[in-house]
Amino acid sequence: KQEVTQIPAALSVPEGENLVLNCSFTDSAIYNLQWFRQDPGKGLTSLLLIQSSQREQTSGRLNASLDKSSGRSTLYIAASQPGDSATYLCAVILYPGGKLQFGAGTQVVVTP
Amino acid sequence: DADVTQTPRNRITKTGKRIMLECSQTKGHDRMYWYRQDPGLGLRLIYYSFDVKDINKGEISDGYSVSRQAQAKFSLSLESAIPNQTALYFCATSAPGGLAGNTGELFFGEGSRLTVL
Repeated sequence: KQEVTQIPAALSVPEGENLVLNCSFTDSAIYNLQWFRQDPGKGLTSLLLIQSSQREQTSGRLNASLDKSSGRSTLYIAASQPGDSATYLCAVILYPGGKLQFGAGTQVVVTP
Repeated sequence: DADVTQTPRNRITKTGKRIMLECSQTKGHDRMYWYRQDPGLGLRLIYYSFDVKDINKGEISDGYSVSRQAQAKFSLSLESAIPNQTALYFCATSAPGGLAGNTGELFFGEGSRLTVL
């Protein structure tokens, strides 16, 4: 059974620092991996999707890498801002258009 | 308007009551999903449907049922609600992956917060 782990569960950094969020999965046979952002009491906003054939994806200050062989993905957020405070979740897509297996998330606080 | 709409957004009910959460989407996707979120547990899949005639149980389907009324509508029912079904429920949609230009990315609604007393 695929298990997805996110460490740490919570993270607090001062504004301007780079954020590094980790996601690990036990079975490398994934189709895609997706990173989401969730604000308190809100839905999930898709940030980046990395296809299994890709090594990384970038969008603005966000960069996500994928290493299937080691079962890891890392989300980098450059020059963090207070508005980046949220919970970040990763999820692996097990097969095309199929189910997602979620990690429990990393709660991020960026202090001014 | 949101692409994936859930109603109600908040509901408080009593043990034993029947509850229905509704989801509608304008993305034209065939695939729809219901997840629940509990603190520290992430999101867990309850049911999913790959088209109107295809409905499948997820990892925690006990105590729940679903109905796919149309391509755009997918409802989740709690026949007799119990307190440990208190959670945040999410509907999501996706198009089939593996097709040109389609990555299987999921899109979520804003969530329905259910409290069972």
